[in-house]
Amino acid sequence: NAGVTQTPKFRVLKTGQSMTLLCAQDMNHEYMYWYRQDPGMGLRLIHYSVGEGTTAKGEVPDGYNVSRLKKQNFLLGLESAAPSQTSVYFCASSYRNAEAFFGQGTRLTVV
Amino acid sequence: DAKTTQPTSMDCAEGRAANLPCNHSTISGNEYVYWYRQIHSQGPQYIIHGLKNNETNEMASLIITEDRKSSTLILPHATLRDTAVYYCIVRAYYNAGNMLTFGGGTRLMVKP
Repeated sequence: NAGVTQTPKFRVLKTGQSMTLLCAQDMNHEYMYWYRQDPGMGLRLIHYSVGEGTTAKGEVPDGYNVSRLKKQNFLLGLESAAPSQTSVYFCASSYRNAEAFFGQGTRLTVV
Repeated sequence: DAKTTQPTSMDCAEGRAANLPCNHSTISGNEYVYWYRQIHSQGPQYIIHGLKNNETNEMASLIITEDRKSSTLILPHATLRDTAVYYCIVRAYYNAGNMLTFGGGTRLMVKP
């Protein structure tokens, strides 16, 4: 039982490049979330999903897109990376509003 | 989700109980109190949750006041590994589409 797995763990992008972060969970959870955490700051919700095929905006959605084509996967895309998107990205999943399980994070640097 | 207020930081001596307060005066009747912690730069970890009764598990105890407007997370014997940021969140259990949002949390420093 792997829980929540994020891929990749580290990445350096050049400004304007695109990339996709993958989150996979093996707990059959309905809800999945993407957060970002800047140095010394709290977690801010980017997008979330309450089921396969559905997504919704969180607090800071601009510059990001998401897709939930399969229940176990939640993808976060950056179409044109900017230095302001340098952050640590965390994915989480939960059975409805029960306790959430988090991945170990993806450290993204945009230069 | 109801908003919460927590102290920015707290210190605790190793081996002593750490009592972390949380104010949630606008909590609704169907909202639970959840606690998470984040150790260094790891992903947040669930600790405990409760509705109105006190709760205890292997990690901590949760004391919720009778009017449910505040709660206290208790780590009975704090260790250096409990140094972390602790987040108090109130959230309805069954409402669909509820965002899970984190506030600033309390930075707990356990000192030798």
